[in-house]
Amino acid sequence: AQRVTQPEKLLSVFKGAPVELKCNYSYSGSPELFWYVQYSRQRLQLLLRHISRESIKGFTADLNKGETSFHLKKPFAQEEDSAMYYCALGDTPLVFGKGTRLSVIA
Amino acid sequence: DAGITQSPRHKVTETGTPVTLRCHQTENHRYMYWYRQDPGHGLRLIHYSYGVKDTDKGEVSDGYSVSRSKTEDFLLTLESATSSQTSVYFCATTGESNQPQHFGDGTRLSIL
Repeated sequence: AQRVTQPEKLLSVFKGAPVELKCNYSYSGSPELFWYVQYSRQRLQLLLRHISRESIKGFTADLNKGETSFHLKKPFAQEEDSAMYYCALGDTPLVFGKGTRLSVIA
Repeated sequence: DAGITQSPRHKVTETGTPVTLRCHQTENHRYMYWYRQDPGHGLRLIHYSYGVKDTDKGEVSDGYSVSRSKTEDFLLTLESATSSQTSVYFCATTGESNQPQHFGDGTRLSIL
């Protein structure tokens, strides 16, 4: 069965510290993976997808098929990065993880 | 985002009453989805549609029904609302099933 696991419900880091939001998936084929971000009381927005291999707002994510992971990283956290982050697996329909709330402390 | 409008944006109603939420999109996307968002549970899929009159159940479909009579509208109905259905409801759309979904602004529903 397709599954996405985000092991941390809450992650707190200090401003300027590195951030890593973990995402592991279970999927039998070649996965399409996404990260979505939701700022306070706003809609979910696509942050990045693995096939584009681009960096958005300083965030990157690398697909590791051996470890079935798609961790989201940023070298220096900013206060405006505080939000809810969801990892999603591209299947029919998309399978979402339960989300990790990132809190960046000034 | 992708011209998705949810209505109403907020609603307070009483247990036992019927409630219908509407999702309207202007992108001619084939796929439409209804999610509920609750603390500790993240996003959970209620129902989705893969075309006009074509719908399927999601993870938490009990107590909900949907209808899609035209491409642009996807309705979610709570036939007899219960307090456990108090939540924030999000609609999403996509043109292809494995492509990024675009989300609406959400409907905050409180059932007293």
